Amino acid sequence: SAVISQKPSRDICQRGTSLTIQCQVDSQVTMMFWYRQQPGQSLTLIATANQGSEATYESGFVIDKFPISRPNLTFSTLTVSNMSPEDSSIYLCSVEQDRLNTEAFFGQGTRLTVV
Amino acid sequence: AQKITQTQPGMFVQEKEAVTLDCTYDTSDPSYGLFWYKQPSSGEMIFLIYQGSYDQQNATEGRYSLNFQKARKSANLVISASQLGDSAMYFCAMRGRAGGTSYGKLTFGQGTILTVHP
Repeated sequence: SAVISQKPSRDICQRGTSLTIQCQVDSQVTMMFWYRQQPGQSLTLIATANQGSEATYESGFVIDKFPISRPNLTFSTLTVSNMSPEDSSIYLCSVEQDRLNTEAFFGQGTRLTVV
Repeated sequence: AQKITQTQPGMFVQEKEAVTLDCTYDTSDPSYGLFWYKQPSSGEMIFLIYQGSYDQQNATEGRYSLNFQKARKSANLVISASQLGDSAMYFCAMRGRAGGTSYGKLTFGQGTILTVHP
């Protein structure tokens, strides 16, 4: 199974600033996913990040607000830009390692509070 | 479109007893996978068990088993011999294998909070 390191694990940020979250995997993976979990809610996919191409964003999420980088097959970053208190959430990265879709692992999550 | 429904916002169980967490799903994909995750208060998502839509047998992983009833579109998680450490939020999720934009991503249910009493 893939080991996913996500950092920071938590942060408290001022509104109007930006935070970049890093996701490092111990093996090469084809697809990486970024999810948001608002307080008391379920997980919602923000975007899919493939190496060598632009990220694919889900409805309701835009690149200007959540720019994503995927420079290689083991690393990705998600930036939460121009933050407001509504961005306070847990952000999680996930990877698809097995093309047979039998596994889907997550990083430890980043608990973001915007004040 | 895919949809996951977890109708139990909260469940309580006595330590050492078994508990079933319900999950129903809807999809037009001919082939799909169903996942269960545990999320403790720390926020991490812990992968528990996987069931493929064409798997003939129900999946089992230690104390976790998945009661898969394809005709009813249900994939209930059974936790046997509950432990205090099982207290957490549990999510059911689905991934479709069809091509297109749905490939690879997970669709989650709303979750069930499980509380294990001593």
